[in-house]
Amino acid sequence: DIQMTQSPPVLSASVGDRVTLSCKASQNINKNLDWYQQKHGEAPKLLIYYTNNLQTGIPSRFSGSGSGTDYTLTISSLQPEDVATYYCYQYNSGPNTFGAGTKLELK
Amino acid sequence: EVKLVESGGGLVQPGRSLKLSCAASGFSFNDYWMGWVRQAPGKGLEWIGEINQDSSTINYTPSLKDKFTISRDNAQNTLYLQMSKLGSEDTAIYYCARVDYFDYWGQGVMVTVSS
Repeated sequence: DIQMTQSPPVLSASVGDRVTLSCKASQNINKNLDWYQQKHGEAPKLLIYYTNNLQTGIPSRFSGSGSGTDYTLTISSLQPEDVATYYCYQYNSGPNTFGAGTKLELK
Repeated sequence: EVKLVESGGGLVQPGRSLKLSCAASGFSFNDYWMGWVRQAPGKGLEWIGEINQDSSTINYTPSLKDKFTISRDNAQNTLYLQMSKLGSEDTAIYYCARVDYFDYWGQGVMVTVSS
């Protein structure tokens, strides 16, 4: 199975900060990676698909990048409503797997 | 409007079975793969599996392959998850999602396995 390691587990940042979340796969996943945002008590929401494609309706402050085994979700200017847990998810080879998540908090 | 509504959850005793449903509307259900994801209390997301449009391909995470069965009824626009031999480790919120990059999710249904 492909292991997805997200770092850091918890991130504290201030409104307006540029925030970078990392996701590392245990083997090459050929950009077959999505990012999901889950706010407390809600279902996950798709933010970014296939590494760097912004889902419809998602603010442009969110962006994704990466290749091979290393992927990044960037929030260019953190907003209060971005407080959530963020998960990466690979579907390059089965079984598909999620990372353990990064919990983003306001400082 | 795309809607996915799970049902069938609740309290179940260890060792028993339970079948979840996911009613889909607002899109052409038989054009999409569908999947199930679960989340234990306070934990992260776990991919359970997925099913293709005509049920000819069903993929599972290995640890659940012998316990869970995914199926669908395209005439009824409904996805199912049959769960057997349930244990406390299966206590979780269960989500169905449309597999176009999991672009739509249901609200989730809670399953609690306890005596």
